[in-house]
Amino acid sequence: DAKTTQPNSMESNEEEPVHLPCNHSTISGTDYIHWYRQLPSQGPEYVIHGLTSNVNNRMASLAIAEDRKSSTLILHRATLRDAAVYYCILLYSSASKIIFGSGTRLSIRP
Amino acid sequence: EADIYQTPRYLVIGTGKKITLECSQTMGHDKMYWYQQDPGMELHLIHYSYGVNSTEKGDLSSESTVSRIRTEHFPLTLESARPSHTSQYLCASRNSGRAGEQYFGPGTRLTVT
Repeated sequence: DAKTTQPNSMESNEEEPVHLPCNHSTISGTDYIHWYRQLPSQGPEYVIHGLTSNVNNRMASLAIAEDRKSSTLILHRATLRDAAVYYCILLYSSASKIIFGSGTRLSIRP
Repeated sequence: EADIYQTPRYLVIGTGKKITLECSQTMGHDKMYWYQQDPGMELHLIHYSYGVNSTEKGDLSSESTVSRIRTEHFPLTLESARPSHTSQYLCASRNSGRAGEQYFGPGTRLTVT
């Protein structure tokens, strides 16, 4: 399975944008880039996913590099409720299972 | 809103007892999963199922067993609980043919004394 590399932790200020990076230099052509997040004391929740083009939804935006070897999850205006562990995962379309790594622990300063 | 349920939410039990953690989903998903997570640590996949009568072991060895007799139900059983089984157990499901959107239940926090 192709692997991803994320910073262990990041801090940001409330109401400011947050850019969470992910490197995936061994990504294959059929791998989708997925982001999940896990709020304290909860199970993970799906955030967004993409293949080649940038994607937007109500939670976040996903910017994918042209060579697909890296991507960035963008929270446009962080709130205290966005403090969580964010996981970047590669998944091919018929994949049987999702393996979570250690993710990035995001802290938000009031 | 995810329609995936786990019971009990919290369980404190003595060593040697047999326990079953329940997981049900009403979304008709064929794939279901059990993850184990200690506080502040990574999620580890312990079991998964592609559909009825199909179960596989995950990446982390576990003394638990699972069954999948009905699409919506994926219980996890520990025949003889030990203190080392103390952890949070998270159930999840998703549909085949979609590249993601795995839904998680609220989890069962198990303490074995």
